[in-house]
Amino acid sequence: KAGVTQTPRYLIKTRGQQVTLSCSPISGHRSVSWYQQTPGQGLQFLFEYFSETQRNKGNFPGRFSGRQFSNSRSEMNVSTLELGDSALYLCASSFFSGTLTSYEQYFGPGTRLTVT
Amino acid sequence: AQTVTQSQPEMSVQEAETVTLSCTYDTSESDYYLFWYKQPPSRQMILVIRQEAYKQQNATENRFSVNFQKAAKSFSLKISDSQLGDAAMYFCAYRSARNGATNKLIFGTGTLLAVQP
Repeated sequence: KAGVTQTPRYLIKTRGQQVTLSCSPISGHRSVSWYQQTPGQGLQFLFEYFSETQRNKGNFPGRFSGRQFSNSRSEMNVSTLELGDSALYLCASSFFSGTLTSYEQYFGPGTRLTVT
Repeated sequence: AQTVTQSQPEMSVQEAETVTLSCTYDTSESDYYLFWYKQPPSRQMILVIRQEAYKQQNATENRFSVNFQKAAKSFSLKISDSQLGDAAMYFCAYRSARNGATNKLIFGTGTLLAVQP
């Protein structure tokens, strides 16, 4: 079974631009979560999607947004990029049926975003 | 709000020896899950071991075991017979198990484990 895939793996953007990152979960997984990883702030939860609906959102500004498609693939968007948005963005998928039936989240390799 | 604290930024262990990584957490909830994740230099995060708070028995997965002290809110990871491949950043994480809770993980700051040959 293929794992969680994230594209692109590396990205360089300029301040003020916007960026879209993509995550394809493991087949059959309908829950997708996003995390930001930086040396200073560590791993922070961005948001979670299930069945195209946002179930939870972390404490990030409105410049960070996401969505999920009917095939469970998810995208996150960051508008008006700032230098502090440079980070590794991790996506995680899990099997979720409406009740909490799976403990494990499977992480993708991440997208390394550098803002200059 | 829940918090997770890892007080050891770096640890080192000799190959074949045992090492224990510490983690404490703070929560007012009674039902939750605790996890240890490993992030090797390649960056792919993988689950090492999990513990359900309602279980008194400590979880074990091969060479990895935990010491879960619910009253003390402590959750340490013991790696026995350390191998070179164990070298990685280790994260302790918390997830609520209350009704309606989501998959949100709250991570500690990590412990970088080096394994000396």
